[in-house]
Amino acid sequence: DAGVIQSPRHEVTEMGQEVTLRCKPISGHNSLFWYRQTMMRGLELLIYFNNNVPIDDSGMPEDRFSAKMPNASFSTLKIQPSEPRDSAVYFCASSLALAGDSETQYFGPGTRLLVL
Amino acid sequence: GDSVTQMEGPVTLSEEAFLTINCTYTATGYPSLFWYVQYPGEGLQLLLKATKADDKGSNKGFEATYRKETTSFHLEKGSVQVSDSAVYFCALITNSGYSTLTFGKGTMLLVSP
Repeated sequence: DAGVIQSPRHEVTEMGQEVTLRCKPISGHNSLFWYRQTMMRGLELLIYFNNNVPIDDSGMPEDRFSAKMPNASFSTLKIQPSEPRDSAVYFCASSLALAGDSETQYFGPGTRLLVL
Repeated sequence: GDSVTQMEGPVTLSEEAFLTINCTYTATGYPSLFWYVQYPGEGLQLLLKATKADDKGSNKGFEATYRKETTSFHLEKGSVQVSDSAVYFCALITNSGYSTLTFGKGTMLLVSP
């Protein structure tokens, strides 16, 4: 399996621009997670989906952030408008959630976002 | 709520030294416990896991034992290599409904030749 695929790997943009991050989970997985990693805050869960449905978006910082999962093999995280404080590494992860089983999450390589 | 506490880094060791990275947790119920590793410029990778008390997870020479009585899951390796230099994250998940991983803040390990 190719693992979790994220694109782009690096993104440099100017403040106020729209940014779209993309993720393709591992085939057959039914849960998808978006994380943000910064030196100050460490690893933060932004949102997660189960069977394409958003289950918990309480980690999304504010209305400028939105995430969608139109089908089982694709998800996007959008920031509009972007701000310098959004600069971070954004990870997507997927897992196969089975009732009563521990869930191993598999992470993508991340997108390094720099907002100038 | 659930939480994971790891020792602060960086941990600096010479090659072939013994490694311990402490991890303790607070959780409702009976969580599963994980160690993830993040190499420079990469995403997190599962290193090992344990799903019930007294289980020992092991991989690539690393070991951790799920200690319910001390709510701990310390990571150990008998002889570290330069290639083990990375950030190590302890994490837990409670197996109840839609639960998610709770991560510690990570511990950086630096191994010198």
